[in-house]
Amino acid sequence: GNSVTQMEGPVTLSEEAFLTINCTYTATGYPSLFWYVQYPGEGLQLLLKATKADDKGSNKGFEATYRKETTSFHLEKGSVQVSDSAVYFCALSNFGNEKLTFGTGTRLTIIP
Amino acid sequence: GAVVSQHPSRVICKSGTSVKIECRSLDFQATTMFWYRQFPKKSLMLMATSNEGSKATYEQGVEKDKFLINHASLTLSTLTVTSAHPEDSSFYICSARDRRGTDTQYFGPGTRLTVL
Repeated sequence: GNSVTQMEGPVTLSEEAFLTINCTYTATGYPSLFWYVQYPGEGLQLLLKATKADDKGSNKGFEATYRKETTSFHLEKGSVQVSDSAVYFCALSNFGNEKLTFGTGTRLTIIP
Repeated sequence: GAVVSQHPSRVICKSGTSVKIECRSLDFQATTMFWYRQFPKKSLMLMATSNEGSKATYEQGVEKDKFLINHASLTLSTLTVTSAHPEDSSFYICSARDRRGTDTQYFGPGTRLTVL
């Protein structure tokens, strides 16, 4: 079956630091990969996605590249801000299947 | 952007009572809605997929008689936790997929259920 493994948090960084949150997956076929973000008190929001190998999703300075050879979809940002503090979820869905499989989430805290 | 609301945001009930949680898509029509459950420090676990006008499809291990799902319109799905027990205490989250066919799910803010 499908599974998503994320690095365990919490992660605490200083403002303007470089961020990497690791995500690896196990899936049959060619899944679509997603990063969702949950800000305090809000619902999950789609941050970025990639639907095929070597695609790079990007949004709000965040990037993630679909690496089929390493079954990974690591989230990166070059310079984080306090407003990036949130919980980040990596997820996947199989082509033609709406169901999302989530990782456990990584809580990120950025300190000024 | 697409907005999904949930009501209530928090509910506390006594053991043995039933609780209804509403999920609404505010600015789009959703043929499909999903219900998730999130345990502390755990990931979201899909409970069921709800299609407008038809019976919900439950994931393995989810009791359909305990977690009643109704998707009566293109903008509303409800989850009723029947005869709630303390082990049902959790964070329940819904999501909705726009009927216009993108693969993006839009999530509600969640409902915290506490059963005493």
